[in-house]
Amino acid sequence: DTGVSQDPRHKITKRGQNVTFRCDPISEHNRLYWYRQTLGQGPEFLTYFQNEAQLEKSRLLSDRFSAERPKGSFSTLEIQRTEQGDSAMYLCASSPTLGREQYFGPGTRLTVT
Amino acid sequence: LAKTTQPISMDSYEGQEVNITCSHNNIATNDYITWYQQFPSQGPRFIIQGYKTKVTNEVASLFIPADRKSSTLSLPRVSLSDTAVYYCLVGESPTGANNLFFGTGTRLTVIP
Repeated sequence: DTGVSQDPRHKITKRGQNVTFRCDPISEHNRLYWYRQTLGQGPEFLTYFQNEAQLEKSRLLSDRFSAERPKGSFSTLEIQRTEQGDSAMYLCASSPTLGREQYFGPGTRLTVT
Repeated sequence: LAKTTQPISMDSYEGQEVNITCSHNNIATNDYITWYQQFPSQGPRFIIQGYKTKVTNEVASLFIPADRKSSTLSLPRVSLSDTAVYYCLVGESPTGANNLFFGTGTRLTVIP
C-alpha cells in the first residue's frame, strides 16, 4: 500500500512538552496539507505545502505550531509548549499537482495531559 | 470564505438511495466541490468531485445546479458499511487553501 502514512499514530504528552509528528505523502504528490480535527468536528486546515514551499498557514494557527517539508518529500509538524487544547487528531493529506482531491493519512491522535 | 451547510444527520434503510445536500452560497468561480467520507478513527476518504452539472463514478453521483450554490451527493442502494460522516468541501486553489472548510459534516446511519 503506497498511501499516506503518519507517525506516530498516538502520542500522549504532558502540558508544556514539545511534540513532533511525521507525514509521508504519496510519492508523486506535490501538495501536502496538515489538518487538525477535534471530536464531532470536521478537519480544520492548518497549513499547506507545494513541494518544499509552505504556501499557506491558517490565519488561526498559533505560532507554537511549525511545519516543514524539506526536499519536498515527507513533512513534520511540531507543536511547542503543548496545551490541553492541542489535544486532537492531526491529519496529513496529499494531492497530485494537477488534481484537486486529497488523500488522507490515518492521523496522529495527540493527548495532552 | 466559502463555508458550507449540511444536515447534521440522516438515517436510511439498507438498499435505499440517499441524497445529501450541501449549501455553499458563497462559492467562488474557481472553486470545485468535493465530497469526502470518514469512518471513526480514520482520515477522510475522497468520494467524488465536480464543478458543474452532474458527475458520476462507481460509488456516487454528484448533482450541481447551474448557480452552483448547492450540491447533492447521491449514494445508490446504501449498505451498512456506508454508515459514516460525509463532508462537503468547497474551494481549493494553489493560493486558496485557507478557503478549505469541512464543516461538521452529515452523519449518515444506515439501518438494517
